Amino acid sequence: QQQVKQSPQSLIVQKGGISIINCAYENTAFDYFPWYQQFPGKGPALLIAIRPDVSEKKEGRFTISFNKSAKQFSLHIMDSQPGDSATYFCAAQDQTGANNLFFGTGTRLTVIP
Amino acid sequence: GAGVSQSPSNKVTEKGKDVELRCDPISGHTALYWYRQSLGQGLEFLIYFQGNSAPDKSGLPSDRFSAERTGGSVSTLTIQRTQQEDSAVYLCASSRARGMSTEAFFGQGTRLTVV
Repeated sequence: QQQVKQSPQSLIVQKGGISIINCAYENTAFDYFPWYQQFPGKGPALLIAIRPDVSEKKEGRFTISFNKSAKQFSLHIMDSQPGDSATYFCAAQDQTGANNLFFGTGTRLTVIP
Repeated sequence: GAGVSQSPSNKVTEKGKDVELRCDPISGHTALYWYRQSLGQGLEFLIYFQGNSAPDKSGLPSDRFSAERTGGSVSTLTIQRTQQEDSAVYLCASSRARGMSTEAFFGQGTRLTVV
């Protein structure tokens, strides 16, 4: 059973455009929602994370929007650049309970110059 | 070391052989995770260790897979009687104990090829 559902599977965006990746979860015990970025041949690395007590978190060109009632969260990449081309994974964790870290299936982003 | 270290970085093995993959977590990190990533696919959870608690083995795909963590530090993932479908990148991650800022840090992975 997939704990975190992610879409789209792949995304092509023009340079300067906005990239949007969506995720949904069911377990209301999740209290930590990170996004990871993975370049080919490398392990994933934390990009940005949010907790459910806020609806939005912004770091530079990256923004997480969080909708607790809908159990959905999304990553927005503003002014997308070719260097943003990578695979993005959303994840969810119950940090006060089981603490396991569950990942979505990933989105391969390609930013065209 | 400064980060999570995995060895070997690449492993080619014959079908039916056993393999051991090693993960050295960041010092002081009590949580350790193993994931499997097939070509172009997502991160499939395998097993999770947290301190001295019993590991969460719910993601292990078959009884050919096992993992241990000695002394709360180094972990070894063992695959017995390897099959071609075991070919994938095996990723290890570690994080601090429960609580705030428990970022998981990943190693570079071990690319396993079963021929």
